[in-house]
Amino acid sequence: QVQLQESGPGLVKPSETLSLTCTVSGGSITDYYWSWIRQPPGKGLEWIGYIYYTGNTNYNPSLKSRVTISVDTSKNQFSLKLNSVTAADTAIYYCTTGGATSFDPFDIWGQGTMVTVSS
Amino acid sequence: QSVLTQPPSASGTPGQRVTISCSGSSSNIGMNYVYWFQQLPGTAPILFMYKNDQRPSGVPDRFSGSKSGTSASLAISGLRSEDEADYYCAAWDDILYAWVFGGGTRLTVL
Repeated sequence: QVQLQESGPGLVKPSETLSLTCTVSGGSITDYYWSWIRQPPGKGLEWIGYIYYTGNTNYNPSLKSRVTISVDTSKNQFSLKLNSVTAADTAIYYCTTGGATSFDPFDIWGQGTMVTVSS
Repeated sequence: QSVLTQPPSASGTPGQRVTISCSGSSSNIGMNYVYWFQQLPGTAPILFMYKNDQRPSGVPDRFSGSKSGTSASLAISGLRSEDEADYYCAAWDDILYAWVFGGGTRLTVL
């Protein structure tokens, strides 16, 4: 059974870049599409984007100008970079499987990691 | 403002039937499958209903999903205290070319 674990700094300063990594265990990074989803405190879910092991990506238009998702097949990991962050980017960030199409839901989720944007 | 519209709260007493609605448009619910996620307090969401009305293994048959036009519903019969959670609907949007979510519904068992 695939398991996902997010890692990265819990505190990022405004205007800087948020960087998170998701480590895949119990399966191969080539097996699925992979997504990032975030949830501001007390609020709903927002899809950030997906990546395939080939490097093919798709991003939420609302975040596209600031987001980069990449993959490292040698480490069985994929990563999220969000630049020029503000307090509005404070959220729990989840990595998940799926998200490539309407037929490809978010089956497996990591536990999530809280990122606070503050000076 | 979420693309999909859900009531912020729903409630019922043990044993009752409760329905949570999710309203969208022709570019999302109208054209694509609807998915539901359950989020218990302090935990990550889990996939709770897929392709409109399919239950993953482990989800009790007290839960059912449906879709009609640009709206979808999650129905819970025989409400139990352990059903207290936040429920989110989601669908792919063909115009935005992105996944969209509802704002979530907090279900309370009175």
